[in-house]
Amino acid sequence: GQQVMQIPQYQHVQEGEDFTTYCNSSTTLSNIQWYKQRPGGHPVFLIQLVKSGEVKKQKRLTFQFGEAKKNSSLHITATQTTDVGTYFCAGRDGGSQGNLIFGKGTKLSVKP
Amino acid sequence: GAGVSQSPRYKVAKRGQDVALRCDPISGHVSLFWYQQALGQGPEFLTYFQNEAQLDKSGLPSDRFFAERPEGSVSTLKIQRTQQEDSAVYLCASSLRSSGGDEQFFGPGTRLTVL
Repeated sequence: GQQVMQIPQYQHVQEGEDFTTYCNSSTTLSNIQWYKQRPGGHPVFLIQLVKSGEVKKQKRLTFQFGEAKKNSSLHITATQTTDVGTYFCAGRDGGSQGNLIFGKGTKLSVKP
Repeated sequence: GAGVSQSPRYKVAKRGQDVALRCDPISGHVSLFWYQQALGQGPEFLTYFQNEAQLDKSGLPSDRFFAERPEGSVSTLKIQRTQQEDSAVYLCASSLRSSGGDEQFFGPGTRLTVL
């Protein structure tokens, strides 16, 4: 079945450093979503990418969807302590009615 | 406005007991999803409802797991004869439409511990 792999599993950065997490799917995706889960919290939607090669920005966050629609990345510029949490990508393949397949997430810690 | 709510927030069950977990989605949301999240893992899909119809239950791990949404709003996930491997956080999410392209709004989850 469809698998979504995410690396790295953990990332520790100094405040002000950049951070990137990568997501790869075993199948072509119709769209991909990114969520953030703070410690002890629940996943919160960040963004959805639909088009091949799409790039979207939200302040210090940049999201990319690969040309083949099988990979995606999230890049955070100049991390802040408020960025702490686990970032999940979630892909939906073309044949799915609605369910998302989540990656295992990248847990980001930021040292002030 | 009110988000997705779940109850109870915490549940401790003895092995073999039955449990029922409730989800109140955002009013008017067509789609409802249940996920299981083990410690340090991503949410794993269990089942999906479009209104009252259960369109996908491929993620339910065994026939001990049963979900319903009889009136197309509130949903209940029932686990019969709980086992220790059922210990996890059970997340419910809803989305506005049925197109599959909407963001999902998650509830706070129910943390189930089976002793």
